[in-house]
Amino acid sequence: QSVLTQAPSVSGAPGQRVTVSCTGGSSNIGAGYDVHWYQQLPGTAPKLLIYGNINRPSGVPDRFSGSRSGTSASLAISGLQVEDEADYYCQSYDSSLSGYVFGSGTTVTVL
Amino acid sequence: EVRLLESGGGLVQPGGSLRLSCAASGFTFSSMAMSWARQAPGKGLEWISLISYTGDTTYVADSVKGRFTISRDISTNTLYLEMNSLRAEDTAIYYCVKMRGLGSHQYYSMDVWGKGTTVTVSS
Repeated sequence: QSVLTQAPSVSGAPGQRVTVSCTGGSSNIGAGYDVHWYQQLPGTAPKLLIYGNINRPSGVPDRFSGSRSGTSASLAISGLQVEDEADYYCQSYDSSLSGYVFGSGTTVTVL
Repeated sequence: EVRLLESGGGLVQPGGSLRLSCAASGFTFSSMAMSWARQAPGKGLEWISLISYTGDTTYVADSVKGRFTISRDISTNTLYLEMNSLRAEDTAIYYCVKMRGLGSHQYYSMDVWGKGTTVTVSS
């Protein structure tokens, strides 16, 4: 049971906009800890996609954007492309567990 | 280019021990906090342990506390994970991770990941 909750899957047609949600609680996202997002393409290691809630590392397309509000965070992918098919994980810090926690992951499928 | 190369994985019996290594290059290893994370077959990501850039502070997930120990050698730019009393549920791909952030470690993100090394605990 993950501390951060994500929908198992999301899908969209090429060019569409999809949103991946991440819901936490008062000891993690709600406590003000940053949310970070990772993309894991099939058979590869995770890659940092968004850090500090809204920031993109160098090289990440601006089609990817992040936001945070209250006890939740979201990753938006606009202009969906076939190469965006992957698993996406949110991550934050939990003060009750005194450690980093991940969401359960969301598989994005391009129809 | 930042590179993280894990090694040391393999098949080990329950109750056994294993030491993972991560050779780091392409950045100032002594200036960055580092972590280990893992992913069980078909499952999600799990953070295991973090070591500060100085090496004098470590944090460990409850699931491995008392069994796993993280350490670093800045003379060889190598990160280690000593794993003892291994259980079947420790079977996973183990990733070496370079952390990103300033100030309190609670706000760090996991900047760069190695390709991982596979640990299988089975009799």
